Amino acid sequence: EPEVTQTPSHQVTQMGQEVILRCVPISNHLYFYWYRQILGQKVEFLVSFYNNEISEKSEIFDDQFSVERPDGSNFTLKIRSTKLEDSAMYFCASSEVIQRELGNEQFFGPGTRLTVL
Amino acid sequence: LAKTTQPISMDSYEGQEVNITCSHNNIATNDYITWYQQFPSQGPRFIIQGYKTKVTNEVASLFIPADRKSSTLSLPRVSLSDTAVYYCLVGDPGSSASKIIFGSGTRLSIRP
Repeated sequence: EPEVTQTPSHQVTQMGQEVILRCVPISNHLYFYWYRQILGQKVEFLVSFYNNEISEKSEIFDDQFSVERPDGSNFTLKIRSTKLEDSAMYFCASSEVIQRELGNEQFFGPGTRLTVL
Repeated sequence: LAKTTQPISMDSYEGQEVNITCSHNNIATNDYITWYQQFPSQGPRFIIQGYKTKVTNEVASLFIPADRKSSTLSLPRVSLSDTAVYYCLVGDPGSSASKIIFGSGTRLSIRP
């Protein structure tokens, strides 16, 4: 069964450093997302991406964050200068279609646990 | 996006049927009801989606009354592995704003 993969599974970094979290969405999917979940809290939407551009972003997704689809398979989230409060589990998700009758099932990856020291 | 209300937590035992009810009084005409499941330290996983009446798949059933102001996720004969957080979501899957807004969910604990 196709699945979303993410690397690394765990990233430890120093405050102020740049990190890049990588995701490989399911191959025929067209819509891509990043979410994060701080320990013990809700899953929060960060950004959605379609047709090589950002569709929507949340207040969390400020200038320190960026996303890119550098080739036909990878989808990356970059945090330019990490802060302590960026420590969280980051989930990538993808979906095939956005069509009312077919629903919008999003497939989530296993997550990258980011720890900022 | 319609606001949803669901129990914070529920407990049950192996082999029992579990029903989790979600209230969504402000559901709009084009909104569907979707349930996701999340195990600890894993990403959420889609369980089921419906618009009205009843939907069933290999994992669960979803019951939606005629007024659609609530819905019930039914898990038949639960096992320990069904211990997870269950999220009820309401939104228009055809909307360009396809993000998922997760609430706190229902933390389901299954005991032997």
